[in-house]
Amino acid sequence: LAKTTQPISMDSYEGQEVNITCSHNNIATNDYITWYQQFPSQGPRFIIQGYKTKVTNEVASLFIPADRKSSTLSLPRVSLSDTAVYYCLVGDFEGGSGNTGKLIFGQGTTLQVKP
Amino acid sequence: DAGVIQSPRHEVTEMGQEVTLRCKPISGHDYLFWYRQTMMRGLELLIYFNNNVPIDDSGMPEDRFSAKMPNASFSTLKIQPSEPRDSAVYFCASSFSPLGVGTEAFFGQGTRLTVV
Repeated sequence: LAKTTQPISMDSYEGQEVNITCSHNNIATNDYITWYQQFPSQGPRFIIQGYKTKVTNEVASLFIPADRKSSTLSLPRVSLSDTAVYYCLVGDFEGGSGNTGKLIFGQGTTLQVKP
Repeated sequence: DAGVIQSPRHEVTEMGQEVTLRCKPISGHDYLFWYRQTMMRGLELLIYFNNNVPIDDSGMPEDRFSAKMPNASFSTLKIQPSEPRDSAVYFCASSFSPLGVGTEAFFGQGTRLTVV
């Protein structure tokens, strides 16, 4: 599975847009990029997934450049309740000989939203 | 559905005692995962099952750890004997199919284990 690198922590203020970038230089052709969010004292939960260009849902947007060596999770107008750890995962989730069906988490980015 | 249900939510035990953590996956989900989370090591995958069969247990730390899935609606993670370094939050997760496009894993609330 491709190794990912994210900032350990970020601070923001309520109402701001937050962008968390994840580097995955060794991403493979079949790899997808998935983000999970973990609130304190809870298990992680799925936010968004993409392969290339831009994906948007009701929670966030995911921007993936053409070379796919990085991706950016964008959270619009954050609130205090967005304080959490955000994990970027990259892997061949769909199939192929390298698919193990596993989710491997890195260190994640701790986002602290201040009033 | 109530989601993935884990019990107990908190467990405090003495070193050397046996500990059993329980998980009920979401109905219809064929995959079940056990994770351990600590400050030092983050979220680690211990083992996962497909249709009640263990597929990959390479993350299980040592022989003191064992996991079973006797049926589609129940799994256990057992530690015997427990040690202080086993103190962590243990999460169970389930998914409908292999973790592919459009498939997500649903996590339980976790069991916070403290071994004294």
